[in-house]
Amino acid sequence: AQTVTQSQPEMSVQEAETVTLSCTYDTSESDYYLFWYKQPPSRQMILVIRQEAYKQQNATENRFSVNFQKAAKSFSLKISDSQLGDAAMYFCALYASGSRLTFGEGTQLTVNP
Amino acid sequence: SAVISQKPSRDICQRGTSLTIQCQVDSQVTMMFWYRQQPGQSLTLIATANQGSEATYESGFVIDKFPISRPNLTFSTLTVSNMSPEDSSIYLCSVEADSSTDTQYFGPGTRLTVL
Repeated sequence: AQTVTQSQPEMSVQEAETVTLSCTYDTSESDYYLFWYKQPPSRQMILVIRQEAYKQQNATENRFSVNFQKAAKSFSLKISDSQLGDAAMYFCALYASGSRLTFGEGTQLTVNP
Repeated sequence: SAVISQKPSRDICQRGTSLTIQCQVDSQVTMMFWYRQQPGQSLTLIATANQGSEATYESGFVIDKFPISRPNLTFSTLTVSNMSPEDSSIYLCSVEADSSTDTQYFGPGTRLTVL
């Protein structure tokens, strides 16, 4: 079985500042993918960033980057220069081959002007 | 990625009735999935919609309650049958548009309220 844990139900950040959302996971597989999805009030699930477990280099997508610590099974998301449009629920997710996409419980991010 | 649409976007239904949700994708995909997101909670996989065969259901979900069709590689439907207020949720379909990365892309969701 695989699990994903997000220990921060809520986070807030000032506009233009940086915030880090935490995620830990557990899997017995060596080949897997990790994802961060964003769900704004419109409820659309939007892929933010993806990390392949076999890659040591941390993934980056514009203002979004991850800190992937494979040994610690940690996968945090850093949002730089936060914008009002970043306000949303953020879900960390894990996919291991032959299994299902497993989501964490989510972190509600508020961006204060 | 893929462009995914769902119909209806929202609905309010009476208990005991059924609702069919449609999911359309703009390209042929092998894997399509249906998820439920209960209020304030994370996503739970209902089933994998298989083209040309029965859907594969997760533990706790049964075909009689959530029948699924997958007539081709771009379309699927999920029916929520004999609804009760506990079925009030957001229902999302997703597709695996890139099998080499196992990445799922999601439709906009259907918000269902059962009175």
